[in-house]
Amino acid sequence: NAGVTQTPKFRVLKTGQSMTLLCAQDMNHEYMYWYRQDPGMGLRLIHYSVGEGTTAKGEVPDGYNVSRLKKQNFLLGLESAAPSQTSVYFCASTNGGTVDEQYFGPGTRLTVT
Amino acid sequence: QQPVQSPQAVILREGEDAVINCSSSKALYSVHWYRQKHGEAPVFLMILLKGGEQKGHEKISASFNEKKQQSSLYLTASQLSYSGTYFCGTEEAGGSYIPTFGRGTSLIVHP
Repeated sequence: NAGVTQTPKFRVLKTGQSMTLLCAQDMNHEYMYWYRQDPGMGLRLIHYSVGEGTTAKGEVPDGYNVSRLKKQNFLLGLESAAPSQTSVYFCASTNGGTVDEQYFGPGTRLTVT
Repeated sequence: QQPVQSPQAVILREGEDAVINCSSSKALYSVHWYRQKHGEAPVFLMILLKGGEQKGHEKISASFNEKKQQSSLYLTASQLSYSGTYFCGTEEAGGSYIPTFGRGTSLIVHP
């Protein structure tokens, strides 16, 4: 039981390049989330999904897109990376539909130069 | 709406106590508490539901006062392993079970 995994762990992009971050969970959770964490800002929700085939915007969605084609996977895309997207990205999952703890992945450290 | 945590930072010696507060301007349904060590993912500590409950986990406990829309995390007889950043996450009453996290409180425990 791996829990929540994220790929890649580190990435450096040049401004304007694109990339996709992959989050996978093996707990059969319904809800999945993407957060970004910047120093002093806490965890800010980018997008989330309440089930396979659904996505919704969070607090800071601009510049990101997501897809949830399979229940176990939640992809975060950056179409044209900007230096302001330099951050640590965390994926999380929960059973959803009720108050429940979030299980976090190990994070992806992204630097955009 | 992002909850407000206080203080921003706490420095303690082993064995001392600390209190971290989390408050919201909105009516709350639940409060989550997580701890994050440097370079690692946040780890769940506890969830408190409205009803004014208090929960505990070893020497870490928390209370939730729904009337005041705030929660407090109590760390008793701090250990070196308690060092890290503590985040509260709040869910608004009538919301969608999606917590909003505060900016965190950095706790440093010295020997």
